[in-house]
Amino acid sequence: DAGITQSPRYKITETGRQVTLMCHQTWSHSYMFWYRQDLGHGLRLIYYSAAADITDKGEVSDGYVVSRSKTENFPLTLESATRSQTSVYFCASSPRTSGTQYFGPGTRLLVL
Amino acid sequence: AQKITQTQPGMFVQEKEAVTLDCTYDTSDPSYGLFWYKQPSSGEMIFLIYQGSYDQQNATEGRYSLNFQKARKSANLVISASQLGDSAMYFCAMREDAGGTSYGKLTFGQGTILTVHP
Repeated sequence: DAGITQSPRYKITETGRQVTLMCHQTWSHSYMFWYRQDLGHGLRLIYYSAAADITDKGEVSDGYVVSRSKTENFPLTLESATRSQTSVYFCASSPRTSGTQYFGPGTRLLVL
Repeated sequence: AQKITQTQPGMFVQEKEAVTLDCTYDTSDPSYGLFWYKQPSSGEMIFLIYQGSYDQQNATEGRYSLNFQKARKSANLVISASQLGDSAMYFCAMREDAGGTSYGKLTFGQGTILTVHP
């Protein structure tokens, strides 16, 4: 019963590098989400997806891209990492729009 | 305006006492859902309880209950008989249904840190 997993759990990178954070869920949930958590801001939505090949921007999408070629995977890519992208990143999934979102364990990203 | 407001940055409670964590929300959507999540020091986000805007009864899940006052736009979390393991950050979140176009995305408050004293 893996549920929803994220990798890596910790990542240190340098400014300007491309970084991809992985998210995988075993529930076949249609809806998937990426959030970032920063002190003083709670969690903010970066991108979301309703199904494979259907994605849309959230509140703080600048500098990020996503893809969803398979239902179970929802990778988040920082195209050119900046220090302001240092954060904890959470992936979540839900079976339907009205359903509860279940979160992965998070990825701590440090951009030097 | 903030969509979700948690006015208590930190709260303290004695073990075995009850505690209320405040959450107010702002929406013009008649259909929405309210959630509470717990984030312990280990960092994971744990779903606690859900209240739909059309639900007539306040939601309860074990020691957790949600005091839903629709007219006041508040959705306070009540934890009864606090335990040391309840010490964590607690987030209130809202889903606005927007006629089915929101895809279920959540807006979170800034959180309340609860500390349970023995």
